Amino acid sequence: DGGITQSPKYLFRKEGQNVTLSCEQNLNHDAMYWYRQDPGQGLRLIYYSQIVNDFQKGDIAEGYSVSREKKESFPLTVTSAQKNPTAFYLCASSQMGGSEAFFGQGTRLTVV
Amino acid sequence: GENVEQHPSTLSVQEGDSAVIKCTYSDSASNYFPWYKQELGKRPQLIIDIRSNVGEKKDQRIAVTLNKTAKHFSLHITETQPEDSAVYFCAASPSSNTGKLIFGQGTTLQVKP
Repeated sequence: DGGITQSPKYLFRKEGQNVTLSCEQNLNHDAMYWYRQDPGQGLRLIYYSQIVNDFQKGDIAEGYSVSREKKESFPLTVTSAQKNPTAFYLCASSQMGGSEAFFGQGTRLTVV
Repeated sequence: GENVEQHPSTLSVQEGDSAVIKCTYSDSASNYFPWYKQELGKRPQLIIDIRSNVGEKKDQRIAVTLNKTAKHFSLHITETQPEDSAVYFCAASPSSNTGKLIFGQGTTLQVKP
């Protein structure tokens, strides 16, 4: 069953903790992305990666970190430096050169 | 920087009426313009897309038009049905060919039975 999988679906974080969101795809896509979704603000790009071991900052990278050690995997760490992390996080993948992005089912992160 | 503006933020129509959502983009070299539909609590899914070498594309009740000179594109839904109720996002792919998409702020469409 091909697709893109995010885990967990719900995540709770205490103040000052780092948490890592998982994203795995078996679509053989080169590019992967992390977006943050807040009510009324659309999807904002956090980080993206075009190839293994390389990634670039998006519009709102502060307080986040990523790695791309494998083509299939692009985990996102929300660090304690992110002051307002409560949001819905979406991972996506696509082929290069302007093509459909496929999204995971999302992770809803809440600070408690 | 790269930016996509989307209007309106909310849209309410009667079942059977048409709905139009408009977007403008800033990067004149953008070449790919998808539209996504997101139902409550679910992932965004592509409903239609258009490339910069085409002015219009239609798929059953939905159509997209692109005006490259004015840097705007629109989604048209005809004969709306209650199941069309969702949040719709437009996006543009900048010229850098990274595959990344810049999204609009979203439009919440409500179709009243």
